[in-house]
Amino acid sequence: KAGVTQTPRYLIKTRGQQVTLSCSPISGHRSVSWYQQTPGQGLQFLFEYFSETQRNKGNFPGRFSGRQFSNSRSEMNVSTLELGDSALYLCASSPDRQRDTQYFGPGTRLTVL
Amino acid sequence: SQQGEEDPQALSIQEGENATMNCSYKTSINNLQWYRQNSGRGLVHLILIRSNEREKHSGRLRVTLDTSKKSSSLLITASRAADTASYFCATDGTGGYNKLIFGAGTRLAVHP
Repeated sequence: KAGVTQTPRYLIKTRGQQVTLSCSPISGHRSVSWYQQTPGQGLQFLFEYFSETQRNKGNFPGRFSGRQFSNSRSEMNVSTLELGDSALYLCASSPDRQRDTQYFGPGTRLTVL
Repeated sequence: SQQGEEDPQALSIQEGENATMNCSYKTSINNLQWYRQNSGRGLVHLILIRSNEREKHSGRLRVTLDTSKKSSSLLITASRAADTASYFCATDGTGGYNKLIFGAGTRLAVHP
């Protein structure tokens, strides 16, 4: 099976802009989770979607949002970008069962200038 | 706040030596997972150990879990230069569903 794919791999934006990142899970996986990784805060959970429903959300401001489509593909959106949003954004997918292994994509490196 | 704390933060060894990394966590868990990350790339899943398991092996990897001490260790035997990476433990905690809480990671450098 193909792994988790994320597009784009690299992105440069300026403050105040918005950005949309995309994630395609492993075929058959219905759960998609998003994480932010920064040198200062490490890896932090953003949110998780299962069957197009957000099941869990991390402690991030409302500027961070996401959605999942019927084919399990997911997007996350960050509006009104701030310098501190510069990070590696990782997507992970897992099968139906809860608390199972999560398989990560290569990430999208977002730089906010 | 992060659930796990890894120790040491950085580890430098020679090829052929064993590398041991430790992880402590704060709340009850259902399982604990170890991941590897090379140079800011995606995370590669190494091993998952459930709360009712005490030890698990996968190739050159050995993971132990002590739920009474809320701690886990990852042992990499006969290290290779290709093992150079950052290693993270992640727990599901009580957050439910597929919400992983990561430690700060251990940076491992294996020198030829």
